[in-house]
Amino acid sequence: DIQMTQSPSTLAASVGDRVTITCRASQSIDAWLAWYQQKPGKAPKLLIYRVSSLETGVPSRFSGSGSGTEFTLTISSLQPDDFATYYCQQYGGYSKTFGQGTKVEVK
Amino acid sequence: QITLKESGPTLVKPTQTLTLTCTFSGFSFSASGVGVGWIRQPPGKALDWLALIHWDDDKWYSPSLKSRLTITKDTSKNQVVLTLTNMDPEDTATYYCAHLDAQGTFDIWGQGTMVTVSS
Repeated sequence: DIQMTQSPSTLAASVGDRVTITCRASQSIDAWLAWYQQKPGKAPKLLIYRVSSLETGVPSRFSGSGSGTEFTLTISSLQPDDFATYYCQQYGGYSKTFGQGTKVEVK
Repeated sequence: QITLKESGPTLVKPTQTLTLTCTFSGFSFSASGVGVGWIRQPPGKALDWLALIHWDDDKWYSPSLKSRLTITKDTSKNQVVLTLTNMDPEDTATYYCAHLDAQGTFDIWGQGTMVTVSS
């Protein structure tokens, strides 16, 4: 079973900051990597699929990169609406494993 | 417009079987590539993928819970049913169903339903 590990678990940042979250897979997942945003009490929202493809309607300040086992989500200039928890997910093979999440909070 | 909604008991006792229903609209299992998955989230914890059923009835399960899970679909009713046997307090969570898009990701989610396991 493929394990996904995110870092950091919590990140304190200010509006306007550049934010980077890392996700590592226990084995190569090629480009089968997605990112979700979740706000308290709400269902997750798909942001990025296939490592770097933005879902329709997602602001261009979000970007993704990486390949194989190491991936990153970058928010180029953090906005008030971006304070949330972010999850990576691998969707290759026969499973859909999520990372443990990274909470982006106000510094 | 795709929508999904979960329904089922809010409280179950330990050792009981949980049955949850996901009722959806805006797509059909008659179309190839379609799928519906279940994901849960214990309070304050991470998302945990449980199961997935495809348009052709192919079923995938989380390896850690495979022995306790069953996923089925009713194409005529636009429903997907998840059962989880031998419930334990550690199964207390919000349970979500979600639409599997052509990319293989969960692009549309239901609102979630909270299930508490307690005697």
